[in-house]
Amino acid sequence: DTGVSQDPRHKITKRGQNVTFRCDPISEHNRLYWYRQTLGQGPEFLTYFQNEAQLEKSRLLSDRFSAERPKGSFSTLEIQRTEQGDSAMYLCASCDSMNTEAFFGQGTRLTVV
Amino acid sequence: KNEVEQSPQNLTAQEGEFITINCSYSVGISALHWLQQHPGGGIVSLFMLSSGKKKHGRLIATINIQEKHSSLHITASHPRDSAVYICAVSTGKLIFGQGTTLQVKP
Repeated sequence: DTGVSQDPRHKITKRGQNVTFRCDPISEHNRLYWYRQTLGQGPEFLTYFQNEAQLEKSRLLSDRFSAERPKGSFSTLEIQRTEQGDSAMYLCASCDSMNTEAFFGQGTRLTVV
Repeated sequence: KNEVEQSPQNLTAQEGEFITINCSYSVGISALHWLQQHPGGGIVSLFMLSSGKKKHGRLIATINIQEKHSSLHITASHPRDSAVYICAVSTGKLIFGQGTTLQVKP
């Protein structure tokens, strides 16, 4: 296991298009987090899963955003009808409980033009 | 007010200087993480603390649970330490501070 992997690393899309990102956590980790980071800011929480259950979703996440973790392993984050304000780095992290080290993916950089 | 506050936001140091970055939080936590992010790079975990102090090489992290405060120290700083240092607390989810941008000049 080489850590948390995210795909794609970069995505450029036209405004109004839908995009989907994937995160593969460390295999034995049951918690998976999605964050968004814009330039010069710390990561902002979007949502997190324990196994396949989505436990919390940020108010920042409009109804254009949806995340799934159908089998408790990999997760997808979909953004529908993208807007320029969605341009950011989307980060995924995983850990196996609240009290263990979190591991982060390299992120997916989204640019909406 | 943010639940996790870091200071300073930006820090410039000369090579060899001792550096301290502070983190205060206002919520109950199960653990606190110090993370490092290089420009254009991913986030790497440096420490996870729930009490006391941890040391790894030139990095030292301390936490005072009663005061809800943590510090990250870098001894004998080096230009390769230049990065953004982020404090995050575990409350079920991770809540991040805004980060401290450190530049160490040779």
